[in-house]
Amino acid sequence: EAGVAQSPRYKIIEKRQSVAFWCNPISGHATLYWYQQILGQGPKLLIQFQNNGVVDDSQLPKDRFSAERLKGVDSTLKIQPAKLEDSAVYLCASSQAWGADEQYFGPGTRLTVT
Amino acid sequence: DQQVKQNSPSLSVQEGRISILNCDYTNSMFDYFLWYKKYPAEGPTFLISISSIKDKNEDGRFTVFLNKSAKHLSLHIVPSQPGDSAVYFCAASAWDSGGSNYKLTFGKGTLLTVNP
Repeated sequence: EAGVAQSPRYKIIEKRQSVAFWCNPISGHATLYWYQQILGQGPKLLIQFQNNGVVDDSQLPKDRFSAERLKGVDSTLKIQPAKLEDSAVYLCASSQAWGADEQYFGPGTRLTVT
Repeated sequence: DQQVKQNSPSLSVQEGRISILNCDYTNSMFDYFLWYKKYPAEGPTFLISISSIKDKNEDGRFTVFLNKSAKHLSLHIVPSQPGDSAVYFCAASAWDSGGSNYKLTFGKGTLLTVNP
């Protein structure tokens, strides 16, 4: 079974530029999560999808971050414009169902904003 | 307000000995607890979990203990192996304050180094 795929793995941009990350969850997993992990911290949930609907985006900075999961499969997370404090690893995870306790994580995208 | 706390940023043990990683939590509504392991440049992988109705769960070399009265859980690895060297995250699940989502809250992680 293929795991959660993410791209790119690394990205360096200047502040005020835009960036997009892509995630393809495990086949058949209805729930998809985007987490932000700042160095030295644990992952923090940004947004959670159930199929193509948003379950929780309470911690997403909506003035600059956006995410979509149009066909209920893969997803993109965008930052526009980026700030220095957005430097982090962005992790995508999926689970079979909403409320499932075990989440499967992708390798993450390391973003550096200079 | 950090609801899941891992107060030891790092731990070093000798191969073959026991590793004990600790985690404290403040939210009494947490009802499921998990440990994830993370190698460099990889995403976290699920290791072991425990429901709040239990006080112990064992899986091979890994055992998780839950003390609800103390709001404390620990992960024991016996015997420790060099391949266990990784960052270990404690995580806990609960419904959020608005009752709209059941979600995981992670601690900051503990870096375990197992020396040969």
